[in-house]
Amino acid sequence: GQQVMQIPQYQHVQEGEDFTTYCNSSTTLSNIQWYKQRPGGHPVFLIQLVKSGEVKKQKRLTFQFGEAKKNSSLHITATQTTDVGTYFCAEGFNTGKLIFGQGTTLQVKP
Amino acid sequence: DGGITQSPKYLFRKEGQNVTLSCEQNLNHDAMYWYRQDPGQGLRLIYYSQIVNDFQKGDIAEGYSVSREKKESFPLTVTSAQKNPTAFYLCASSAPTSGTIRQYFGPGTRLTVT
Repeated sequence: GQQVMQIPQYQHVQEGEDFTTYCNSSTTLSNIQWYKQRPGGHPVFLIQLVKSGEVKKQKRLTFQFGEAKKNSSLHITATQTTDVGTYFCAEGFNTGKLIFGQGTTLQVKP
Repeated sequence: DGGITQSPKYLFRKEGQNVTLSCEQNLNHDAMYWYRQDPGQGLRLIYYSQIVNDFQKGDIAEGYSVSREKKESFPLTVTSAQKNPTAFYLCASSAPTSGTIRQYFGPGTRLTVT
């Protein structure tokens, strides 16, 4: 079935360092969404990417969708302790259904 | 996210008992979803419903059942047939007809079965 692979599973960084998580699929993605889940919390929507090669920014977060629409990445510049959590990518379908990647858990050392 | 409630936050049950988790939304969304999350893992889709009185199985529907009698409500029953029911259960809703088909999640119910 459909599968979205996300790497790495865990990442520990020093505050101020950059962080990147990658999402890959063997098939073309219709769109990709990114969510953040704080420890003990629930996933919260960050962004949706639809177009090939699309790049969107939210303050220190940069989201990219690959030219072939088979991969995506989330890059955080100069991490802060508030960035701690698990970041999920998810392939979205017209029905509203999502297929989630396994997530990348980010730990930030102050 | 505001607009979706799940109760209770923590639920404890004995093995062999069925248990129903509630999910209510006031966002007027047509579609609702149930996910299961295990430690260190992603979200796996259990059931979803695109409209009242209709629902479809997700990837791990065995041992679960749902109903969608009202637009606002999508309760999930974890039956005694579910072999490993202890997990974090998340309910979500969305409005697929809108441009961005984001999902709004409830706070979740942490179920422990002993």
